[in-house]
Amino acid sequence: GAGVSQSPSNKVTEKGKDVELRCDPISGHTALYWYRQSLGQGLEFLIYFQGNSAPDKSGLPSDRFSAERTGGSVSTLTIQRTQQEDSAVYLCATIAEPQGGEQFFGPGTRLTVL
Amino acid sequence: DQQVKQNSPSLSVQEGRISILNCDYTNSMFDYFLWYKKYPAEGPTFLISISSIKDKNEDGRFTVFLNKSAKHLSLHIVPSQPGDSAVYFCAALSGESNYQLIWGAGTKLIIKP
Repeated sequence: GAGVSQSPSNKVTEKGKDVELRCDPISGHTALYWYRQSLGQGLEFLIYFQGNSAPDKSGLPSDRFSAERTGGSVSTLTIQRTQQEDSAVYLCATIAEPQGGEQFFGPGTRLTVL
Repeated sequence: DQQVKQNSPSLSVQEGRISILNCDYTNSMFDYFLWYKKYPAEGPTFLISISSIKDKNEDGRFTVFLNKSAKHLSLHIVPSQPGDSAVYFCAALSGESNYQLIWGAGTKLIIKP
C-alpha cells in the first residue's frame, strides 16, 4: 500500500494478557517509530529503529514492552502482562530520511485493557 | 516535565476568520519545529515546519511564526475552513537528537459554520 498500515485497528484485552501490535511501513522508509498516545496527552516516544543500527529503546515504559523490526520492514510491538494503564492509541510512523524528516503515521491501534 | 506545551486544549473559531494555535517550549536546544494535524481515527499528518534560523514560514493558508527569544511558536490558519477542524500538535526536534521529536499535548480546533 501507499501508506503506513497498522493492525489491528482496535484491540480489547483482559488485564494480564499479552498483545502484539503490527506496523507495515511505507516501502523503502528506513526509519520507524512507535509512539503511545494516552487520552488528552501528546505523543509519547517509545522506540526508534533505523536501518541495521541498534534501536533506541529509551522510551519503553517498562520491561513488559518490547519491539522488533524484521528485515528492516514490518515491526511488531509486544506488550506482555497488560495493565489497565497500557490502554492508549499506539501509533507507528516511518520516515524516508533518518534525520528529522517528515514522519508518516499509520492510523494507530486503539488498545483497551479491561 | 513538559518541554513542549500547548496550553489551550481546545479552540473554537468562526469559519472564514483566523485561527491562531500557540505552542511554547522550554529547551533552547530545539532547532526545528513541526505542526501536525490529526483527524479522529487517523494518524497525524504533517502540516508545516520551521527551522530556528527563520522566524516565519508560509504555505498557502498556513503560516508558522517562531519567536526564539520567547521560546514561542504559533500556527495561523486564514481563512479557517470547516475541514480545518482537527487536533493540531506542535512538535520539536533537538539538535542533540536528529530523530526524536518532542510533542505537545495538542489543541482541538473547532471551526464553526
